Amino acid sequence: KAGVTQTPRYLIKTRGQQVTLSCSPISGHRSVSWYQQTPGQGLQFLFEYFSETQRNKGNFPGRFSGRQFSNSRSEMNVSTLELGDSALYLCASSGTSPGTDTQYFGPGTRLTVL
Amino acid sequence: EDQVTQSPEALRLQEGESSSLNCSYTVSGLRGLFWYRQDPGKGPEFLFTLYSAGEEKEKERLKATLTKKESFLHITAPKPEDSATYLCAVRTTSGTYKYIFGTGTRLKVLA
Repeated sequence: KAGVTQTPRYLIKTRGQQVTLSCSPISGHRSVSWYQQTPGQGLQFLFEYFSETQRNKGNFPGRFSGRQFSNSRSEMNVSTLELGDSALYLCASSGTSPGTDTQYFGPGTRLTVL
Repeated sequence: EDQVTQSPEALRLQEGESSSLNCSYTVSGLRGLFWYRQDPGKGPEFLFTLYSAGEEKEKERLKATLTKKESFLHITAPKPEDSATYLCAVRTTSGTYKYIFGTGTRLKVLA
């Protein structure tokens, strides 16, 4: 079974630009979560999508948004990039019934904002 | 408030020196507890899922245990390749089943 894939793996943007990151979950997984990871901050939860609906949301500004498509693939968008948005963005997918809700992570997208 | 705390923040071991990492949690209801290993610049790699107090799981030099308030990740005779950050997470049964992560334990195993 293929794992979680994320594209692109690396991205360099300048302040004020916007960016879209993509995540393809493990086949059969309907829940997709996004996390931001910066040195010293640990994993910060952005949002979780299930069946094309946002189920949970972290404490991030409205510049961060996401969506999920009918095939469970997900995208997250960051508008008006700031230097502090430089981070590793991780996507994780899971099943939803009891016993299948272990999250499996992708390799991440390293975003650098100049 | 639901919370996950990991200790110690960092740990240095000599090769072969066994130790344990702690993950304590305060949640209104536990749906599952998860352990991950993360190498620098990479996504977390799944290790174990535990669902109920008393449950134990093993994989090579690692063993995870769970009580009603905490989980331990025991590392027996570690090797330098076990050096990584170990993350603990819980999924709650309340509300919309959030995942809550601890800040991790950075493990360094010296040859």
